[in-house]
This record gives sequence, C-alpha cells and structure tokens, in this order.
Amino acid sequence: QQQVKQSPQSLIVQKGGISIINCAYENTAFDYFPWYQQFPGKGPALLIAIRPDVSEKKEGRFTISFNKSAKQFSLHIMDSQPGDSATYFCAAAQGGSEKLVFGKGTKLTVNP
Amino acid sequence: DSGVTQTPKHLITATGQRVTLRCSPRSGDLSVYWYQQSLDQGLQFLIQYYNGEERAKGNILERFSAQQFPDLHSELNLSSLELGDSALYFCASSVVGVNYGYTFGSGTRLTVV
Repeated sequence: QQQVKQSPQSLIVQKGGISIINCAYENTAFDYFPWYQQFPGKGPALLIAIRPDVSEKKEGRFTISFNKSAKQFSLHIMDSQPGDSATYFCAAAQGGSEKLVFGKGTKLTVNP
Repeated sequence: DSGVTQTPKHLITATGQRVTLRCSPRSGDLSVYWYQQSLDQGLQFLIQYYNGEERAKGNILERFSAQQFPDLHSELNLSSLELGDSALYFCASSVVGVNYGYTFGSGTRLTVV
C-alpha cells in the first residue's frame, strides 16, 4: 500500500518555466512533509519541508504548498534552471515515528 | 560531501552469498537509518538505530540484519542473497529524529548475479 502518491513520474520544463510536482497522502497522522532532491550517483538531499500548521513555505525559488483538507502538497520550482534537473521525492512522517515514507519520485528535466 | 560515508560504493556478488554494507554517520549524529532504493518500490525504510539501540523497524527481510557499534558506525548485513535484492542501499543519519531532517550518504549499489 503506497501511503504517499507522487505525480508526475517525469516532467520536462523549459529553462525559466515553473515546475510543479504533486503529492497526496492518506494518513492524517502525518505531520511533517519534506521534499528531497537526488542527483545521479548521489543520495537524496533535504530541499525544503513543511508542517501542516502552515499552507505555504518558500525558500528561494522553491515553494511548498500544503492543502490539509485535501491531503495534498506540492513543490513549485520557479524560474527552473538546467541545474535543477534531478529526481525529486516527497515524503511524510508522523509524530513519534522515526521513519519517512517516500513517494516514488519525479524525474525533472529542465531544457536550456 | 554530505558527511555520511558509505562503503563500498559498488558490490557485485552471487546469489546465496552474504555481504556487509558499512555506514559512518555525520559527526554528532546519533541516529542511523537504512533505506533500500529500487526502481519499482522507490525508497523503502529498513531499520533505524539510535545510539546503539534498535529504534524502529520497517520492511526489512529476516535475511537482513543491522547493528550500530559504540563508535556509532552501522553495518547492514544481507545474507542468502537473491536477484531481487539488487538495489541501492542508502544510509542516513540525523541528530535526534526525522523531524530535523536526514542526511543521506551516497549509497552502496548492490548487484546480485
């Protein structure tokens, strides 16, 4: 049973465009929602994270939007650059749990 | 360099064999997590250790085991290997828990032939 569903599987965006990746979850006990970025040959790296008490968090060109009632959250990458080309994973964790549940990932390609 | 060191980077072994993957956490981190990444299943949590003690267990097969030593490095032992065990195995560490963010190593790519 997949607890965090991520879409799309792959995404191609032109340089300067907006990349949007969506995730949905079922477990209402989840209270921490991070996004990870993974380049080929490297481990995932924490990009940005949000808790359900806020609806949006922005760090530079990266923004998480969170909709608690819909149990959805999304990553927006503004002014996408070729260097943003990577695989992005959404994840979730619930209070008191030590493990992250990951989505299956989105491979983003930003064309120059 | 994330500060989490995993060795070896690549491992090729035959079915039925046993291998040991090693992880040195980032300095100061007490928690170590092991994840398996495969194309069809994505990143799956295997097990977590905190300061030498097992803290949480996920989808870890009985053929797999792990431990964390007094110097906080951890080892993941995989035995009676099957073709389906071929995957990337990541170690991550954190100061206290997941809510502070993991730092992942670069992984060990295991190929079972």
